[in-house]
Amino acid sequence: GQQLNQSPQSMFIQEGEDVSMNCTSSSIFNTWLWYKQDPGEGPVLLIALYKAGELTSNGRLTAQFGITRKDSFLNISASIPSDVGIYFCAGGGTDKLIFGTGTRLQVFP
Amino acid sequence: ETGVTQTPRHLVMGMTNKKSLKCEQHLGHNAMYWYKQSAKKPLELMFVYSLEERVENNSVPSRFSPECPNSSHLFLHLHTLQPEDSALYLCASSQGPGVSRPGELFFGEGSRLTVL
Repeated sequence: GQQLNQSPQSMFIQEGEDVSMNCTSSSIFNTWLWYKQDPGEGPVLLIALYKAGELTSNGRLTAQFGITRKDSFLNISASIPSDVGIYFCAGGGTDKLIFGTGTRLQVFP
Repeated sequence: ETGVTQTPRHLVMGMTNKKSLKCEQHLGHNAMYWYKQSAKKPLELMFVYSLEERVENNSVPSRFSPECPNSSHLFLHLHTLQPEDSALYLCASSQGPGVSRPGELFFGEGSRLTVL
C-alpha cells in the first residue's frame, strides 16, 4: 500500500532557530497537507497544497508541494516555545489521506 | 475549538464491557471519519461515512461497530475489546465528495481508550 516517509522523527532545537521537515513517497499524490498535534489534542490543519510546485505560507510556516508530486516539505522560521508538538504530513489521492508517522518537535528557551 | 466534539475524552474499560464513543460536528460537513492513533504508528483510517452512508471499512475487526444516524453525529460502539485496542480514537469531518478542496479534515480532540 501507499506509505509516507516522514523525517526527521524528532527534533530538539533552541528558540529562534529555523526548522525543516519533509515527507517523501514512492506514490504520486494530488494533495499534500500538514497538520500539527498538541499534547492531548487532535491534529489541526496548518497548510494545504493542491498543485505541484505550489509554495504556501501561513505566518512563520512555509510548505511546498514537490514538483514530482511525491514529496513535500514544511519549514518553520524563528521557532517559539508554542511550536512544540507533533507535525504530520498527509498525502491525498482521489479519496483518502495517507498520514506520515510524524515529526516530534521540542523547542528549548 | 475545531467544531468537532468528542466524548468521552478518556475511557477505561474491561474486555467484557460494552461502551460507545460519540462525535458531533458543527461545521455543516457531509463526511465523517474514525481514525485510530497508536504510539509511533501513522494515523489509521477505520471508517468513513459520506452523507450518512458508510463508504469505507478499512478491515476493522467487528468488535468495533460504527453508527452514523445523521450527518452531524458519529458513534463508535465497542464490545469485547482487547488490550491492544488501547489507543487514541480520533473523529474527523470534511466537506465530503465533489468539493474543490478535498482532504481537509477537521479533527476532534480524541477519546483516549484504555482496555484492561
